[in-house]
Amino acid sequence: LAKTTQPISMDSYEGQEVNITCSHNNIATNDYITWYQQFPSQGPRFIIQGYKTKVTNEVASLFIPADRKSSTLSLPRVSLSDTAVYYCLVGQTGANNLFFGTGTRLTVIP
Amino acid sequence: GAVVSQHPSRVICKSGTSVKIECRSLDFQATTMFWYRQFPKQSLMLMATSNEGSKATYEQGVEKDKFLINHASLTLSTLTVTSAHPEDSSFYICSAPRGQGWEQYFGPGTRLTVT
Repeated sequence: LAKTTQPISMDSYEGQEVNITCSHNNIATNDYITWYQQFPSQGPRFIIQGYKTKVTNEVASLFIPADRKSSTLSLPRVSLSDTAVYYCLVGQTGANNLFFGTGTRLTVIP
Repeated sequence: GAVVSQHPSRVICKSGTSVKIECRSLDFQATTMFWYRQFPKQSLMLMATSNEGSKATYEQGVEKDKFLINHASLTLSTLTVTSAHPEDSSFYICSAPRGQGWEQYFGPGTRLTVT
């Protein structure tokens, strides 16, 4: 399982776009990149998943460069309710383990 | 969308007793489920993989005799914390995979407090 590195914490003002970058230098050919959001005392919630280039859904965008050694989660116009920990995971379909790194604690400031 | 539930959401027990936590996939079948433990301000730590019809696979350092896992059906996995001690107090979360890649659906978690 490819190890991931993320900033421990980030602060942002309401209404700003937030970009959280994750490094995964040892990503394997069959690995997907997935981001989760976790609020205090709740289970993580799936945000977005991608393999290459760009993926966008109703809540976020995921940018993956050609070498796939990093990825950037982009949250447009964050609000106070986006304050949470964001985890980047890299792995394959069907693998029997799932390891969370430290995550990035995002604090949105009014 | 897919939902995973856990019961109970919160439990307090006395030291030395056992506690069972249920994890259910509500609208899909899950032959595999995962159990995690999370201490305050820390990341999730994978404890074990629950496999329907076979024994669970435990991560290194997790005592299989203390944390009993039973995957009773395609929609239910249970984690029993036996002879609980205060150091077992934690937030226990289960998940089940669906779809391609790492798309996991997580339960809401169970807060265990051992007094």
